Amino acid sequence: GAVVSQHPSWVICKSGTSVKIECRSLDFQATTMFWYRQFPKQSLMLMATSNEGSKATYEQGVEKDKFLINHASLTLSTLTVTSAHPEDSSFYICSVLGWASVSSYNEQFFGPGTRLTVL
Amino acid sequence: GDSVTQMEGPVTLSEEAFLTINCTYTATGYPSLFWYVQYPGEGLQLLLKATKADDKGSNKGFEATYRKETTSFHLEKGSVQVSDSAVYFCALQGGNKLTFGTGTQLKVEL
Repeated sequence: GAVVSQHPSWVICKSGTSVKIECRSLDFQATTMFWYRQFPKQSLMLMATSNEGSKATYEQGVEKDKFLINHASLTLSTLTVTSAHPEDSSFYICSVLGWASVSSYNEQFFGPGTRLTVL
Repeated sequence: GDSVTQMEGPVTLSEEAFLTINCTYTATGYPSLFWYVQYPGEGLQLLLKATKADDKGSNKGFEATYRKETTSFHLEKGSVQVSDSAVYFCALQGGNKLTFGTGTQLKVEL
């Protein structure tokens, strides 16, 4: 399976500033990555699907101008939370779509997540 | 659309007790089914998976069987440990997208 990292693991910022979160596929070229958001004690909500070299596809209700996604290479996707506010505080998790050779199908491999706190 | 329903938590068990966390799903076609585990402050880790009906996924003493007739994928473990305390998510994959259940928190006490 793919090894996925996220940076930073946690970040605290002031309201009104922008924060960039990186998602890297360390050992696998990922044409498709996903960004999720998780509120405390809740499930993961898919925010957008990030495809290398093209615009991200956002889920209904997710503001694309608020959450900017850039997938400029096969190993890196970034999520920028623009003009962050306290309600944007959350746990952001990315995943990489990879080929699971043992079972011969596409599977998502998850990063460790980034905790964003907006003051 | 696709959906996953799993039992609400928290589930509190004594060490060495038997665990069952129920999961049922609604989907078109033939999804793959997963159980993920999330330890405090961490991302999701794949626990086990099953890609077709009657498949049994297993890992670290956990098991789940893909039951198409009952649209279920219940998670079981014969003897839980304190280290199993975490949140468990049932999920299905249709196409390339994952749909998650709401998660079940498991607390195992000595």
